[in-house]
Formats: sequence, C-alpha cells, structure tokens
Amino acid sequence: EAGVVQSPRYKIIEKKQPVAFWCNPISGHNTLYWYLQNLGQGPELLIRYENEEAVDDSQLPKDRFSAERLKGVDSTLKIQPAELGDSAVYLCASSLVAFRGGELFFGEGSRLTVL
Amino acid sequence: AQRVTQPEKLLSVFKGAPVELKCNYSYSGSPELFWYVQYSRQRLQLLLRHISRESIKGFTADLNKGETSFHLKKPFAQEEDSAMYYCALRSAGAGSYQLTFGKGTKLSVIP
Repeated sequence: EAGVVQSPRYKIIEKKQPVAFWCNPISGHNTLYWYLQNLGQGPELLIRYENEEAVDDSQLPKDRFSAERLKGVDSTLKIQPAELGDSAVYLCASSLVAFRGGELFFGEGSRLTVL
Repeated sequence: AQRVTQPEKLLSVFKGAPVELKCNYSYSGSPELFWYVQYSRQRLQLLLRHISRESIKGFTADLNKGETSFHLKKPFAQEEDSAMYYCALRSAGAGSYQLTFGKGTKLSVIP
C-alpha cells in the first residue's frame, strides 16, 4: 500500500500567489489531519476531519487558508494569498480512529517556499 | 492547554552508549503519550505509545505522571538510531482528540 500520498512535494511561488496541496489518505481511514511544520519545530495541527466534517479547525488561519474534504476521502488545503511566513512543510496524516490508541500515518509532506 | 517540552534540540552519543531523550508534558487530564520518529528522507512515523508498554527497536518509554515525563530510553545506541524524535501528547477526554507535538530532538549517534 502506498500510504498517505501528498502532492506536490515541492512548490515555489511568489508572495500573494495562491497555492493548493492535495492529500490522499490511506484507504478506509476516516480521520484526516493537516499539520504545519516550520523549520526546527514540531508539527502543529491546522485542521482535522472526521469523514467530510471539519471537527477541529481552530488553528486554521481562515482569512487566507481553506480546506475541503469532498466525499470524505481526498483533501485539499489552499492558501490565498500566500505570504512569506507561510514557507513551511505541510503534512497530511490519516488515522483509522481519532481517539485512544489511534496511530497517525503521515505523508511525505509538501514543502512550500514563498519568495 | 496542553504542552509538550523537549529540552534538547540535539543529542549526540557514541555508538553503544545509553540514550535518553527527554520529554515533559503539561496537561490537567489523563494524557496519552507517543514518540514519533523521522529518519533521514523518510516520513514521520510512530515509534511507540505509552498504552502499549512495548519496546520497539530497543527503545522504551515509561509514563511518569508524578514528574509529568515520558522519556525515551535505549541502553545501547546504534548508528541507525540517528533521526529526529518527536514526543506527542493526545488529550484523552471525550470529544477532544488533539495531538500536540514537541519541537523535537535530533539524535546523532557517532560511530
């Protein structure tokens, strides 16, 4: 099995441009997460989905970030417009369950550079 | 609010020496603790979780609620243990499943 698949792996854009990241979770995993990882930091949760529903998006900067998970499978994270401070790795993860004992499986990440 | 602290950014040890990666947490409820690892050019993956009380690749970690710690230990370090290690805490209350990561410790095992 391929595991969690993310694309693109790398993206370089100029500030104020839009960017989108795509994530395909492990088949059958109902819970999907988007994490932000700045250089030298641990992952920080942006949003968590249970099937199609965003159940925890308190850390998502909603003025420029948006996310969707249509049909409860693939998910897209969008930034519009991007700012210099958005340069980071965006990690997608999925799990079979969200509660006790549920292991998160991570993708390889999408590295964004904003010039 | 929950918080995870890994005081060491970098830890260098010689091959065969014991390893201890420190993790302290702050959480008022009953926590669930994990260690995740990221080897060079690989994705972040689960190493072990406290509820399993298991030993993975020779690593163990014991939850000490009195000291609010979950240190990762291995008696004899191997070169292949070199990686980034992240301690993570998940709140175990109903409806609250946020997983919070520490900033990570880079372990370098010197041959």
